Amino acid sequence: QQQVKQSPQSLIVQKGGISIINCAYENTAFDYFPWYQQFPGKGPALLIAIRPDVSEKKEGRFTISFNKSAKQFSLHIMDSQPGDSATYFCAASLYGGATNKLIFGTGTLLAVQP
Amino acid sequence: ETGVTQTPRHLVMGMTNKKSLKCEQHLGHNAMYWYKQSAKKPLELMFVYNFKEQTENNSVPSRFSPECPNSSHLFLHLHTLQPEDSALYLCASSHSPGGPRYGYTFGSGTRLTVV
Repeated sequence: QQQVKQSPQSLIVQKGGISIINCAYENTAFDYFPWYQQFPGKGPALLIAIRPDVSEKKEGRFTISFNKSAKQFSLHIMDSQPGDSATYFCAASLYGGATNKLIFGTGTLLAVQP
Repeated sequence: ETGVTQTPRHLVMGMTNKKSLKCEQHLGHNAMYWYKQSAKKPLELMFVYNFKEQTENNSVPSRFSPECPNSSHLFLHLHTLQPEDSALYLCASSHSPGGPRYGYTFGSGTRLTVV
């Protein structure tokens, strides 16, 4: 119930291509879904987030697609660049309750080849 | 820098040593967290503090002892660790429940090696 399943574990994309990372959850009480980007030697940094009352959110080349009925959400990176090479984590949280903890997926190592 | 500072960046300790990790934030947050990051595993939540009070201990062994003297500082005291405790230890901060929802801000972590 508290898990967030993320796939693929690793991904290789050519420069200019589209990177797609998928996540699924079980707990329907989750209502905040952020994505984090982590470069080697750094902590994860918030990239983009979505609430379940929205089906899509776009910020620059990064888009979250959210399917509430399927309990799935995905990150799309358009026009992928070598500088996007990093580990990406999806996460889920409860909003407005007594808790504020994030449950993270296992991460996806993205390599964008020039 | 993200606004959350962790020291030291790297730490090598023997199984009988006692050491402490430090985390400091000046973002005005009132919640602080310790996470453990091991290779090929999800980020594991260890402890949660809200307004200096511990609100969650995720079944962490007693050889890890957290301390939160105020909302800006968080420590993780380590003693008699095992080699499997070697990992990246991440500190994060955020607004407390009911506050603005802007996600967590993580520090760069302490890379711990237990020998």
